[in-house]
Amino acid sequence: QKEVEQNSGPLSVPEGAIASLNCTYSDRVSQSFFWYRQYSGKSPELIMSIYSNGDKEDGRFTAQLNKASQYVSLLIRDSQPSDSATYLCAVKEGGSYIPTFGRGTSLIVHP
Amino acid sequence: DTAVSQTPKYLVTQMGNDKSIKCEQNLGHDTMYWYKQDSKKFLKIMFSYNNKELIINETVPNRFSPKSPDKAHLNLHINSLELGDSAVYFCASSPGMNTEAFFGQGTRLTVV
Repeated sequence: QKEVEQNSGPLSVPEGAIASLNCTYSDRVSQSFFWYRQYSGKSPELIMSIYSNGDKEDGRFTAQLNKASQYVSLLIRDSQPSDSATYLCAVKEGGSYIPTFGRGTSLIVHP
Repeated sequence: DTAVSQTPKYLVTQMGNDKSIKCEQNLGHDTMYWYKQDSKKFLKIMFSYNNKELIINETVPNRFSPKSPDKAHLNLHINSLELGDSAVYFCASSPGMNTEAFFGQGTRLTVV
């Protein structure tokens, strides 16, 4: 059974710091990887998708994928209090319609 | 112009009742999903449809029945509601394989 593991946190970082969120997955055939942000009481919102090994940058966000080690990470530079949320990692097998989610990491950015 | 919309947003009902949650997407996506998010925030897939065809039905009590009248709609009907059904139910859609999913605003179901 596919598993997607995340540290539940909370991860607490000061404003302006880099927040590093990690995710490991068990299924070697996973091909598509996604990071979502979920504010309390709201729905998950897509931040980044990554499909190839290496880094992908979008503004203050960088997703890093290492398929050999089966991990994907999200870096948030210059963290802001508005980044405080739960970050969900999701993984899809190649040829699959179904994203499997981790349990999320709670991030707190304190002023 | 909401992309994935669910109704109702909140649903409070008594044990034993039957209720439905509706979902519509205007993104032209082929695949739609129902997820359940429990009190510990874990998002668990319940059902998925692709072009109106059921493609996954996880271990969900048969009191839950999805219906897809067309590829833009996926409704969830729940019979004989139980206390343990209380959760947030999210509808989502995606263009297809290997692509990201987009979520509706969620329906918070409370069974009393």
